[in-house]
Amino acid sequence: DVKVTQSSRYLVKRTGEKVFLECVQDMDHENMFWYRQDPGLGLRLIYFSYDVKMKEKGDIPEGYSVSREKKERFSLILESASTNQTSMYLCASSPMPGTGGGEKLFFGSGTQLSVL
Amino acid sequence: GQQLNQSPQSMFIQEGEDVSMNCTSSSIFNTWLWYKQDPGEGPVLLIALYKAGELTSNGRLTAQFGITRKDSFLNISASIPSDVGIYFCAGTLYKAAGNKLTFGGGTRVLVKP
Repeated sequence: DVKVTQSSRYLVKRTGEKVFLECVQDMDHENMFWYRQDPGLGLRLIYFSYDVKMKEKGDIPEGYSVSREKKERFSLILESASTNQTSMYLCASSPMPGTGGGEKLFFGSGTQLSVL
Repeated sequence: GQQLNQSPQSMFIQEGEDVSMNCTSSSIFNTWLWYKQDPGEGPVLLIALYKAGELTSNGRLTAQFGITRKDSFLNISASIPSDVGIYFCAGTLYKAAGNKLTFGGGTRVLVKP
């Protein structure tokens, strides 16, 4: 089974802090994603990476950056955390299109971030 | 951008009953996906649909790709307590493009007290 592991289940940070959210997948997937989940809004894509050192902005990239130095690891960075970034953050991975199932995302358990 | 309206936003189920939920889009999709999120976990894929009119089952779950390509439906038959959670629909116009998915707001399924 695909396993996507997020390093922290809960995080509490202060406004202005730099925050790192880490994600590791063990299925050699090319694609990795960071989503934000807010009640009633569903899942919104923050950033997407299709290869090492490659990234694309999603629908809501403002205030975030990402890093992908190794294929299995995708980090989300909040340069200066703000209270409106309090949310559930979900990491996901999927195989490359053409290998079958590029649209089928495998999610981690999520990190609930509170910014005070 | 594209919008997905998922309804109902929440529902109560009683063990044994059949329930349904749906998703409508402002534009056409070529792929519909249904995910379930258990409390404290990430979403897990339940069913994927790729063709207008397609009807696909996964155990007690059945999903349909609407013939207009702008909607999809999920039915749960004979509900059990472990059906509680949040169900998300997702759609995309692009084949196998995980970064082009649009998610609905979710339907929260709860058990009647």
